[in-house]
Amino acid sequence: SAVISQKPSRDICQRGTSLTIQCQVDSQVTMMFWYRQQPGQSLTLIATANQGSEATYESGFVIDKFPISRPNLTFSTLTVSNMSPEDSSIYLCSVDTGTGLPGELFFGEGSRLTVL
Amino acid sequence: GENVEQHPSTLSVQEGDSAVIKCTYSDSASNYFPWYKQELGKRPQLIIDIRSNVGEKKDQRIAVTLNKTAKHFSLHITETQPEDSAVYFCAASRGGTSYGKLTFGQGTILTVHP
Repeated sequence: SAVISQKPSRDICQRGTSLTIQCQVDSQVTMMFWYRQQPGQSLTLIATANQGSEATYESGFVIDKFPISRPNLTFSTLTVSNMSPEDSSIYLCSVDTGTGLPGELFFGEGSRLTVL
Repeated sequence: GENVEQHPSTLSVQEGDSAVIKCTYSDSASNYFPWYKQELGKRPQLIIDIRSNVGEKKDQRIAVTLNKTAKHFSLHITETQPEDSAVYFCAASRGGTSYGKLTFGQGTILTVHP
């Protein structure tokens, strides 16, 4: 398993502002992903955070709105830019440690953003 | 892209009964099918998964079955307990470099009454 810490755990933001969420893992991991969970909904993959290169975004998500960094194998950030109320969601960092069977993802506790 | 449909959206059972949640998927290239449990206000946690080279997998009271021909897979929980109450999500991915790129179902709210 892995210990995944996300900051902030929750925040209330004003429309038009940006917020950066941090994800720190207690060990080096092969793969890191960012998911979004809208209120009462399922999880949707935003992007794969690639170490040392640009993130790979899923359909419907763009770099200008959700810039992602991954400077090393234990840390990543997700920025939600120019926020609107529709961005109110839980943002979850997830990792594949590479030590178990492929695909076994561990999730952080999530960052709950409310945009007013 | 992949589409995963999950049923039912809510499921209420008495303690000790069995619970079954079903999912269908659309992408025939999908070969990895995990199930996650999410308690209220908590992170999703992997409870069991199955890969396309097997038809069934069991772990104590939890089992998952896969029918690749019909493109559906199911979660079976036997002897349910109140602590099984949570939201359960099925998911699918293509594996390989895409293992972690999961498409989730809509979720099932399971309530186990004492």
